[in-house]
Amino acid sequence: ETGVTQTPRHLVMGMTNKKSLKCEQHLGHNAMYWYKQSAKKPLELMFVYNFKEQTENNSVPSRFSPECPNSSHLFLHLHTLQPEDSALYLCASSQGSEGRANYGYTFGSGTRLTVV
Amino acid sequence: AQKITQTQPGMFVQEKEAVTLDCTYDTSDPSYGLFWYKQPSSGEMIFLIYQGSYDQQNATEGRYSLNFQKARKSANLVISASQLGDSAMYFCAMREGGNTGKLIFGQGTTLQVKP
Repeated sequence: ETGVTQTPRHLVMGMTNKKSLKCEQHLGHNAMYWYKQSAKKPLELMFVYNFKEQTENNSVPSRFSPECPNSSHLFLHLHTLQPEDSALYLCASSQGSEGRANYGYTFGSGTRLTVV
Repeated sequence: AQKITQTQPGMFVQEKEAVTLDCTYDTSDPSYGLFWYKQPSSGEMIFLIYQGSYDQQNATEGRYSLNFQKARKSANLVISASQLGDSAMYFCAMREGGNTGKLIFGQGTTLQVKP
């Protein structure tokens, strides 16, 4: 148990489907993140939320829509995805997204997404 | 802009031997943190070790130590007495202490421990 829980662990969806990824943390952290990990590529930071407010969107296509209703929960809503969106999506949380450099991230186990 | 480089796509090590995984970084921020994470095939990113830019001594955590050479901007991970369970992907990451505080990752190194 890492303290950050992601569901589902695996997801197969068609290009016309709508699905959502869920991330939950009970570590008392106030920042949450979505990363995308594709094969043979470094982890790509997608979104940053700090105290429920989105503070970063790294030019992510609008077919990915994040939602952060509170500091403990983070969602990634998916619609009309493309096969190249197939990847491991990792959620992370930390004590803060600004300032102290020694605040490491705690990661979930990820959702392995396949778009068919 | 900050950048992390891991030049070893794959490494092999014999069980019980030590191995060094390379990491170089680039940043203009004097305050930053360097991290190493382990990612087994299950996908979870496991925090291993942290080194702060102002730390005078190299960080150590059990069998993990970080060889921090600030002038060379390198932060190599040393794993001593390798075990079969150490086989995984290893990522070096950096976080700047300024306003962004983003954690960015290198490309990763796949380590395989041979029995």
